Amino acid sequence: DTEVTQTPKHLVMGMTNKKSLKCEQHMGHRAMYWYKQKAKKPPELMFVYSYEKLSINESVPSRFSPECPNSSLLNLHLHALQPEDSALYLCASSWALANYGYTFGSGTRLTVV
Amino acid sequence: QQPVQSPQAVILREGEDAVINCSSSKALYSVHWYRQKHGEAPVFLMILLKGGEQKGHEKISASFNEKKQQSSLYLTASQLSYSGTYFCGTEHGGSQGNLIFGKGTKLSVKP
Repeated sequence: DTEVTQTPKHLVMGMTNKKSLKCEQHMGHRAMYWYKQKAKKPPELMFVYSYEKLSINESVPSRFSPECPNSSLLNLHLHALQPEDSALYLCASSWALANYGYTFGSGTRLTVV
Repeated sequence: QQPVQSPQAVILREGEDAVINCSSSKALYSVHWYRQKHGEAPVFLMILLKGGEQKGHEKISASFNEKKQQSSLYLTASQLSYSGTYFCGTEHGGSQGNLIFGKGTKLSVKP
């Protein structure tokens, strides 16, 4: 298995809703990442996990809450989002934090209404 | 700190060559290169580590000039499948895992 699987592929949520994005990989990678990508822009780093511990939090608002329950799974919990949070949310993984390329999932397209 | 990519866009005919540049004002630990097609996930092409290494992947290769803090991606004899947006990502020493992407170079290959 050489994929990163993200669910759901599309999500529409209201500003008062709570939802979660899920990311799974079975490649044995020990580093996992959340990126946010707006149209025609590069991916922006949000969170980095290494060996299931939060390693980097790029000053992301608290309405985004990451969780890494085990080495294969990464969640992003969403609460009280704003319309400007609408974007493509990409998950990625790599063998370790340094020296390895990332495998990206196909993303969750999030729309906040 | 976001790396600077150039050019912003390039249009090629099949078979032509292109060079995409990526530079940083801060000392680099590594440079990653990815290609993203419209509506798809970024796909890893190669990583260059501190040491001036040159790497190759089919007809795509890259160099890393540590002294100039620059990397270049070389696409030779371009194919239609090379179309997409190319992003370089840079990491600095002491910030491994903090991969920051440049704004991207949109490459269009025409028949």
